Amino acid sequence: AQTVTQSQPEMSVQEAETVTLSCTYDTSESDYYLFWYKQPPSRQMILVIRQEAYKQQNATENRFSVNFQKAAKSFSLKISDSQLGDAAMYFCAAQGGSEKLVFGKGTKLTVNP
Amino acid sequence: DTGVSQDPRHKITKRGQNVTFRCDPISEHNRLYWYRQTLGQGPEFLTYFQNEAQLEKSRLLSDRFSAERPKGSFSTLEIQRTEQGDSAMYLCASSLGFEKLFFGSGTQLSVL
Repeated sequence: AQTVTQSQPEMSVQEAETVTLSCTYDTSESDYYLFWYKQPPSRQMILVIRQEAYKQQNATENRFSVNFQKAAKSFSLKISDSQLGDAAMYFCAAQGGSEKLVFGKGTKLTVNP
Repeated sequence: DTGVSQDPRHKITKRGQNVTFRCDPISEHNRLYWYRQTLGQGPEFLTYFQNEAQLEKSRLLSDRFSAERPKGSFSTLEIQRTEQGDSAMYLCASSLGFEKLFFGSGTQLSVL
């Protein structure tokens, strides 16, 4: 079973600045995946970035990168050069041992112009 | 690729009534998932199909809930004898593998 904790209900960032969203997780699985999904006001969840736990190298997708600390069970998301379109709810999720994704409660990101 | 389509977008019903939601996945996707999201929470897994076979169900899916995916294409989620606690957004997702799910915009259910 997995649990995912996002300790920041809300975060804000100035346009063009960098922001980091925190996530910790717990799992009994040795093989698992971690995800960040974005949910804009349209409600449609969109995959931002994915990390395979067996890979030591942190995943990167354009302006989005993760800091994966396996021993600490930490998986933070860094958004560089923030844009107004990045404003959304961000959910951290874990998957291992089954097809089920377990999500955290989310962090609401506001981008100020 | 027209995306995952869910119908209806909103549903208001009275307690005790039955409701049915439909999900049309991306056409070549063999995996289909249902999740439920309540206010202030992340989505919670309900069930998963691979083609027409329902392979995993959450204990959240009580006897009042049933999901089907006939012929491995669209899926329906039915809730019988709705309760106020069923009020939530019901999300459908499809994929070729669990590595990337494509979500629909959800059906918002309000039980009065």
